[in-house]
Amino acid sequence: EAGVTQFPSHSVIEKGQTVTLRCDPISGHDNLYWYRRVMGKEIKFLLHFVKESKQDESGMPNNRFLAERTGGTYSTLKVQPAELEDSGVYFCASRDRDFGNTIYFGEGSWLTVV
Amino acid sequence: QKEVEQDPGPLSVPEGAIVSLNCTYSNSAFQYFMWYRQYSRKGPELLMYTYSSGNKEDGRFTAQVDKSSKYISLFIRDSQPSDSATYLCAMISSSGNTPLVFGKGTRLSVIA
Repeated sequence: EAGVTQFPSHSVIEKGQTVTLRCDPISGHDNLYWYRRVMGKEIKFLLHFVKESKQDESGMPNNRFLAERTGGTYSTLKVQPAELEDSGVYFCASRDRDFGNTIYFGEGSWLTVV
Repeated sequence: QKEVEQDPGPLSVPEGAIVSLNCTYSNSAFQYFMWYRQYSRKGPELLMYTYSSGNKEDGRFTAQVDKSSKYISLFIRDSQPSDSATYLCAMISSSGNTPLVFGKGTRLSVIA
């Protein structure tokens, strides 16, 4: 069974540009999460989808970040325009519908804004 | 005060040593406690998962939760060089729809 897959694995963009990160969760997992780790800090929650609906987006830092999950399958996280402080690693995770199951993380998308 | 405190280390031990990793937390609503292992440039991988207080053992790994002290531990027996990684504690409330809250992670090196 394929795990959580994220694209791109690494991205270097200039300040002001746009970047779109993609996450393919484990097939059949209704719950999809985005987390972020910036340098020297802990991994922090960004938002949670249940199928195509945003369950909780309290961790989104500002309106430069837009997440979508059309059709309840893959998700995208767009940063527009990117700022230097957006640099870090963006993790996607997924979980089956029944709580108590494992939350599986992808390998992350490493973003550097220069 | 951070919700979850974890000493970032680094922690360096000789092969075969017993390793003790710890986290404290402030939110009494946390009911599920996890330990993730993260190798360099990889995503977190779930190691241990404990509900409420008590101990859980899996091979060389033992997780302990003391809710009265708001303190969790991960013990690694007979540590191996392959255990060298960053260990992250994470916790979640019982509702299941609240996000995981992570500690900063402790970087462990096991020296052969």
